[in-house]
Amino acid sequence: GAVVSQHPSWVICKSGTSVKIECRSLDFQATTMFWYRQFPKQSLMLMATSNEGSKATYEQGVEKDKFLINHASLTLSTLTVTSAHPEDSSFYICSATGDWVSDTQYFGPGTRLTVL
Amino acid sequence: QKEVEQNSGPLSVPEGAIASLNCTYSDRGSQSFFWYRQYSGKSPELIMFIYSNGDKEDGRFTAQLNKASQYVSLLIRDSQPSDSATYLCAVLTGGTSYGKLTFGQGTILTVHP
Repeated sequence: GAVVSQHPSWVICKSGTSVKIECRSLDFQATTMFWYRQFPKQSLMLMATSNEGSKATYEQGVEKDKFLINHASLTLSTLTVTSAHPEDSSFYICSATGDWVSDTQYFGPGTRLTVL
Repeated sequence: QKEVEQNSGPLSVPEGAIASLNCTYSDRGSQSFFWYRQYSGKSPELIMFIYSNGDKEDGRFTAQLNKASQYVSLLIRDSQPSDSATYLCAVLTGGTSYGKLTFGQGTILTVHP
């Protein structure tokens, strides 16, 4: 199957700082990447959809100024959590689709963010 | 009515048994269906996708799709303790490539020795 990586796998930061998470498709060109958030014992929540070279489309209730998404190339999307607060602590997961994987979404391993 | 519903769990089966996971969806126009497995603390891992009515087999896993009944299922034969995880049914909406996945709430499967 296709491989999607995320970096970092975990991060701890102080309240008020910004954190950038990278999502890379390693063996295919990702037309579209998705960003999810998952709280403990809850289901995945889609935050936004990003297409290469276009502005991201955010789901209702997700603050676009707080969660900045950039999909600058066909293999890289970044999520920046700006001015992070403890309530932003969560498991952030990206997925990617496109190219030879067609419409199947392959997930990255996730990034666990803890804001102190 | 939820867009994608999975049979309520948790589901517990003995090692070596067949585990049956069920899912129904509300959008009759849906064309692509996926099963993911998620271990605790990890991200979802693709098990299978299915597009056509009927059965699709991959090793110990069989996905079944019935578009008329808007029903998709996953059978796990010879269940192993390592199969213990949350299984997510997902349906693609909005067309290919740019479509979003709508997930069911997940079914927790426990395979006991």
